[in-house]
Amino acid sequence: SQTIHQWPATLVQPVGSPLSLECTVEGTSNPNLYWYRQAAGRGLQLLFYSVGIGQISSEVPQNLSASRPQDRQFILSSKKLLLSDSGFYLCAWSVRGPGDTQYFGPGTRLTVL
Amino acid sequence: EDKVVQSPLSLVVHEGDTVTLNCSYEVTNFRSLLWYKQEKKAPTFLFMLTSSGIEKKSGRLSSILDKKELFSILNITATQTGDSAVYLCAVYGALSSGSARQLTFGSGTQLTVLP
Repeated sequence: SQTIHQWPATLVQPVGSPLSLECTVEGTSNPNLYWYRQAAGRGLQLLFYSVGIGQISSEVPQNLSASRPQDRQFILSSKKLLLSDSGFYLCAWSVRGPGDTQYFGPGTRLTVL
Repeated sequence: EDKVVQSPLSLVVHEGDTVTLNCSYEVTNFRSLLWYKQEKKAPTFLFMLTSSGIEKKSGRLSSILDKKELFSILNITATQTGDSAVYLCAVYGALSSGSARQLTFGSGTQLTVLP
């Protein structure tokens, strides 16, 4: 069966510091991968998605970036965090082709102070 | 721009009550509508709906889609305290560049079930 991992689970970082969140998927090949952010009391906002290694599409311009160095690894990064980057970051995967259900990882709660 | 609107924003009921959560949408080239349950952490998948009028059921939860009126409802019967969560509705619309379909999420309905 497929599983999706994210780490760390929680993170407290000062403004201006760098960020690296990692997501890995097991039990499937060639997944679509997604990064979402959820602000308190709000819905999910799609940040990035990837259909393959090195292929990243950005949905919201900001100081975040994403990379996919391996088929089942998705990384969210920032060089300098802003206060507004605080939130709950979720990674998700889906199969390519007709299967559209997205399955979510456990999430990372980021607080920028 | 694709849009998904959920109502009510929040709902407080007592155990044993039946609740109906609403989701209306405006998307280009609708493909499917998904319901998720989110407790403290990650959303967990409940249902995917692609055809009008076909009810999906899982225990006390059920959902139906109306593609003509562009909405879906999620029903929970005989609610329990464990049903307390945010229920998210999301819709797949048109293909974007890169061939990855994107989900547009509503802001969710916060359901609280009191003992």
